[in-house]
Amino acid sequence: DIQMTQSPSSLSASVGDRVTITCRASQNIKRYLNWYQQKPGKAPRLLIYAPSSLESGVPSRFSGSGSGTDFTLTISSLQPEDSATYHCQQSHSTPYTFGQGTKLEIK
Amino acid sequence: EVQLVESGGGLVLPGGTLIVSCAASGFSFRSFWMHWVRQVPGKGLVWVSRINSDGSSTAYADSVKGRFTISRDNARNTVFLQMNSLRAEDTAVYYCARDPDSNGYSALNHWGQGTPVTVSS
Repeated sequence: DIQMTQSPSSLSASVGDRVTITCRASQNIKRYLNWYQQKPGKAPRLLIYAPSSLESGVPSRFSGSGSGTDFTLTISSLQPEDSATYHCQQSHSTPYTFGQGTKLEIK
Repeated sequence: EVQLVESGGGLVLPGGTLIVSCAASGFSFRSFWMHWVRQVPGKGLVWVSRINSDGSSTAYADSVKGRFTISRDNARNTVFLQMNSLRAEDTAVYYCARDPDSNGYSALNHWGQGTPVTVSS
């Protein structure tokens, strides 16, 4: 199975900051990488897929990049509503494994 | 409006069986692949299973293979997860999610609100 490792596990940043979360795959997954946002008590929401395509309705301050084994999710200017846990997921091959999540808090 | 509504969760004894369902509306259900993902509250997401649009192809996580079965009824716009030989470690909230499998690319672009499953004596 492909292992997905996110870093950091948690972070705290201020409104307006540029925030980057990384995700590393244990083997080459080409561009088969998705990012989800999850708020407490809610279902996850797809943010970015393939891994730089923005899902419809997602603010343009979110962006994704990477290929192969290393990927990043960037929030260009952090907003209060971005406080959430972010999960990466590989869709290269089943089982479609997730990272352990990154909890983002607003200072 | 796209809706996925899970049901059937609850308390079950270890070794027992439970079937959870996910009713879809607001989109062409038969055109989408469907997945089940679970999450222990406060922990990460764990992919469980997926089924293709016509039900001819399925896949499972190693931890549930041989115990869980995913199926779908396109006439009823519903996907099911039958869970047999349940263990305490299967306790989680179970989400269903749809996957357009656009050009062979999988991404879960809409999720239900989840149904909780507790395996305990």
